[in-house]
Amino acid sequence: EVQLVESGGGLVQPGGSLRLSCAASGFTFSSYEMNWVRQAPGKGLEWVSYISSSGSTIYYADSVKGRFTISRDNAKNSLYLQMNSLRAEDTAVYYCARVAAAGRTFDYWGQGTLVTVSS
Amino acid sequence: QSALTQPASVSGSPGQSITISCTGTSSDVGGYNYVSWYQQHPGKAPKLMIYEVSNRPSGVSNRFSGSKSGNTASLTISGLQAEDEADYYCSSYTSSSTWVFGGGTKLTVL
Repeated sequence: EVQLVESGGGLVQPGGSLRLSCAASGFTFSSYEMNWVRQAPGKGLEWVSYISSSGSTIYYADSVKGRFTISRDNAKNSLYLQMNSLRAEDTAVYYCARVAAAGRTFDYWGQGTLVTVSS
Repeated sequence: QSALTQPASVSGSPGQSITISCTGTSSDVGGYNYVSWYQQHPGKAPKLMIYEVSNRPSGVSNRFSGSKSGNTASLTISGLQAEDEADYYCSSYTSSSTWVFGGGTKLTVL
């Protein structure tokens, strides 16, 4: 069974940093592209970042470019999101999502981890 | 990349059919057959319902169907059931090799 479990969320002050993790199981993690998607309280989904299966190709949404860094450790079956210079508008539930083997869709999602940026 | 445009809300009675539209541009919806639809119940993670415009993942009811014309994609739910009440989001792959979501549509089953 495919499982994605996020962790690392919490309360952080504006300007602070946080590192999110996503532990994958039930599939060959190193063969799949991964993404982070976030959802502000009461708002819609927003794509945040993409990383290829090898980690060699990375993309970011303009709203986080230069502040967030996506990475992965295929030996540990884990995806990460390093978030620096956090702002109030980064407050959201952050989901990791797997890209389907064929196509450009997110076929599995984690349960999400809440990040709250507030003083 | 601007969000795709969806109606904020739609409603229907049990047994009826509803359609949710999703409008983008030639750089996303109109340019690729990579439109997906996700269902999200309150407090839950999104669930894939339709991929590549009109394909259903295994286990998704055939009451859910998708289509596309030009820059607008659509999700149709037939034979509405109470458990269909949820938020629905469309998504498209884009010419920038990124993804964009719609603002979401709240479906109310009357």
